[in-house]
Amino acid sequence: DVKVTQSSRYLVKRTGEKVFLECVQDMDHENMFWYRQDPGLGLRLIYFSYDVKMKEKGDIPEGYSVSREKKERFSLILESASTNQTSMYLCASSLMDAPWRGYTFGSGTRLTVV
Amino acid sequence: GENVEQHPSTLSVQEGDSAVIKCTYSDSASNYFPWYKQELGKRPQLIIDIRSNVGEKKDQRIAVTLNKTAKHFSLHITETQPEDSAVYFCAASMAGGATNKLIFGTGTLLAVQP
Repeated sequence: DVKVTQSSRYLVKRTGEKVFLECVQDMDHENMFWYRQDPGLGLRLIYFSYDVKMKEKGDIPEGYSVSREKKERFSLILESASTNQTSMYLCASSLMDAPWRGYTFGSGTRLTVV
Repeated sequence: GENVEQHPSTLSVQEGDSAVIKCTYSDSASNYFPWYKQELGKRPQLIIDIRSNVGEKKDQRIAVTLNKTAKHFSLHITETQPEDSAVYFCAASMAGGATNKLIFGTGTLLAVQP
């Protein structure tokens, strides 16, 4: 029944490492999103994509990049991980033509940078 | 850009009481307002949403009201039960554009005391 899958539930990385977070959806959704969730700050949009090879910055893109080579896969990349990127990362997807159906979220990846 | 404020950040009620969570948004072009519930350790899930052409929507014990003039919307939960305990997020979107990116509020931790 799981429709949005994030590759790792928990991840521990060292400062300076390049980190890849993977998200795959099987619903043929055009839109995909990466959020980070921090206590008291809610869900903040990092990047989103509305088509293959298309990407747009969200509210907090600094220190991150993304890749969307295939419709079903949206990757978040931390170029050089830092301790302030320790957070819960949530991927989501949605239909372009039916936004009222809302987002489908993945289970999240809790990343700790040490 | 769009900004969504959500209050209160925490809410404790007795079982059977009502709970109200309020949100305000900044972009008058926003026309879609979903609410998500996130239980501990789980992904956010859509529980109810409202579009700008409607002032109120109800689904069993939950209801959402929208005041477009004042740019605020609220979630009402009646006859609360312990299983309503969770973090609730409001969001706003300008649905119908190239993407339907959601801007989330900071969340409300609802605790229903048995």
